[in-house]
Amino acid sequence: ETGVTQTPRHLVMGMTNKKSLKCEQHLGHNAMYWYKQSAKKPLELMFVYNFKEQTENNSVPSRFSPECPNSSHLFLHLHTLQPEDSALYLCASSPIRGADTQYFGPGTRLTVL
Amino acid sequence: DQQVKQNSPSLSVQEGRISILNCDYTNSMFDYFLWYKKYPAEGPTFLISISSIKDKNEDGRFTVFLNKSAKHLSLHIVPSQPGDSAVYFCAARGMEYGNKLVFGAGTILRVKS
Repeated sequence: ETGVTQTPRHLVMGMTNKKSLKCEQHLGHNAMYWYKQSAKKPLELMFVYNFKEQTENNSVPSRFSPECPNSSHLFLHLHTLQPEDSALYLCASSPIRGADTQYFGPGTRLTVL
Repeated sequence: DQQVKQNSPSLSVQEGRISILNCDYTNSMFDYFLWYKKYPAEGPTFLISISSIKDKNEDGRFTVFLNKSAKHLSLHIVPSQPGDSAVYFCAARGMEYGNKLVFGAGTILRVKS
């Protein structure tokens, strides 16, 4: 049990759909992260939230819209995605931003048709 | 341009033997290095780390070595066990990057029984 859960685990969507990914952490952490992992590529940091405030947007296209209503929950809203956005989306948390160790959720496998 | 490189996409080792996973980095400002392990359908989990002021850190069967002059680190697993079969990610952190983790693309380790 990593303490970080993600739903759904798998998602297939068309390019005109709107969907959301959810992440919840039960570790009492204050920083949360979204990463993208494409096949055979390194994990790419997308967004960082620290105490509910966005502190990092790593040049992510606006078709990805994060939301952090509180320190325990993080969403990634998706709209008008492209097939190249198909990837594993991982959520992570840490006690504070920049902490040595981040704890990851299992990820959402997204397929955009 | 990848700043953290894991040049071996995969490694196969016999049970009981030593597994050596390698990682190279380009930025001398990185001051902390981590290894994560990932099983299929699970998120990465923290395995072991090392600060740039050290050249070795050991935790049970796992030892990480850091060669700063060569900008190289390695993870040694001895003895290797079938349960060690997973993807291993190297990650680096530095204040210049706001303490974000920069990941390598991963190495798939298969331990044969």
